[in-house]
Formats: sequence, C-alpha cells, structure tokens
Amino acid sequence: EAGVAQSPRYKIIEKRQSVAFWCNPISGHATLYWYQQILGQGPKLLIQFQNNGVVDDSQLPKDRFSAERLKGVDSTLKIQPAKLEDSAVYLCASSLVGLAAQETQYFGPGTRLLVL
Amino acid sequence: SQQGEEDPQALSIQEGENATMNCSYKTSINNLQWYRQNSGRGLVHLILIRSNEREKHSGRLRVTLDTSKKSSSLLITASRAADTASYFCATVPSGTYKYIFGTGTRLKVLA
Repeated sequence: EAGVAQSPRYKIIEKRQSVAFWCNPISGHATLYWYQQILGQGPKLLIQFQNNGVVDDSQLPKDRFSAERLKGVDSTLKIQPAKLEDSAVYLCASSLVGLAAQETQYFGPGTRLLVL
Repeated sequence: SQQGEEDPQALSIQEGENATMNCSYKTSINNLQWYRQNSGRGLVHLILIRSNEREKHSGRLRVTLDTSKKSSSLLITASRAADTASYFCATVPSGTYKYIFGTGTRLKVLA
C-alpha cells in the first residue's frame, strides 16, 4: 500500500514570497490533515478535511494560509505572503474515516520550508 | 495550544536498557496515542490506548494510562540504536476528533 505522498520535500523562499505544498493521501482515506511542526515542537493541526469539506481550521492563519482539497483526494496548502516564522516542516496525514476518534493517522515525509 | 507535555524533554541511554517517557495532558480524552518521529521523517503510529484502558502492550512497548492523573507513560524495553527518535503523545479531547500533540521526548540510544 502506498503511503502519504508530499512534494516538494524542501523549499527555500524569501519572505513575502508565496509557496504551495501538495499532498496525496492514502487511497480511500476520507480525512486529510495538514500540520505545522516548528523545530523542537510537536505538530500543530492547521486544517482538517473530511472528504472535500473543512472540519477544523481554527488554527489556520487565514490571512496568509489557504488550503483546498478538490474532489476529496489531493490537497494543496498555500502560504502567501510567507513570513520568517513560517519556517517549519509541513506534515500531511490521512486517516480512513477521521471522525471515529479511535483512528490511526498516517503521515507523509513532510515538506521542510525555510523562509529567509 | 499543545495539550500534552512529555517528560523528559531528552533522554540518553545505553543499548539494552529500558526507556520510560511520560505524557501529561489537561482535559478529558477519548484516547491517547504515541507516535515516533525519526530525524527528518514523518511520524509513525506506535500504539493507541482508549480512555477506559489502563495498560496496553505491543512488542517491546508498554503504555499505561491514568485518567485520574491525566498522564500516560511509554516504556520501551531492551532498547536498540534504531529506537533513537523523538516520541510524541497525541490526545483526542472528549467530544472532539482533533488530535493534539505534545512537545515530544528526544530519545538517544547509544550502541
């Protein structure tokens, strides 16, 4: 079974530029998550999709971050404009149902973003 | 906000020794999960313990949960160099489906 795919793996940009990350979840997984992990900290949930609808985006900085999951499969996370404090690893995860509260999340390898 | 806090922040042991790390959380939960993260990689699920369970085993892993103290512990027995990683607890607060990760314990197993 293929795992969660993410691209790119690394990205370096200047502040105020824009950047986009892509995620392809495990086939058949209804729920997709985007997390931000700052160095030395645990992952922080940015947004959670159930199929193509948003379940939770309470910690997404909506003035600069946006995400979409068209057709309930792939997802993109965009930052525009980027700030220095956005430097982090962006992790995508998926789970089969997501609303069962007893599920395992499967994580991709992450995209490491450095904002200069 | 991060609900869980792991303790210790860092742990260094010799191969073959046991490693114990703890997680404390703030609110009532549906379940608690432990994940491992190798350097530069994504997280890998290790074990899930439900709020009505007190202890669970999986191979060399033993997890306990004390809901009265809002704490959990992860014990890795007979550690190996390959166990070197960061370990995170993740809680699902009651009434939600949202995973909240702790701050992590960095474990280093010396060969």
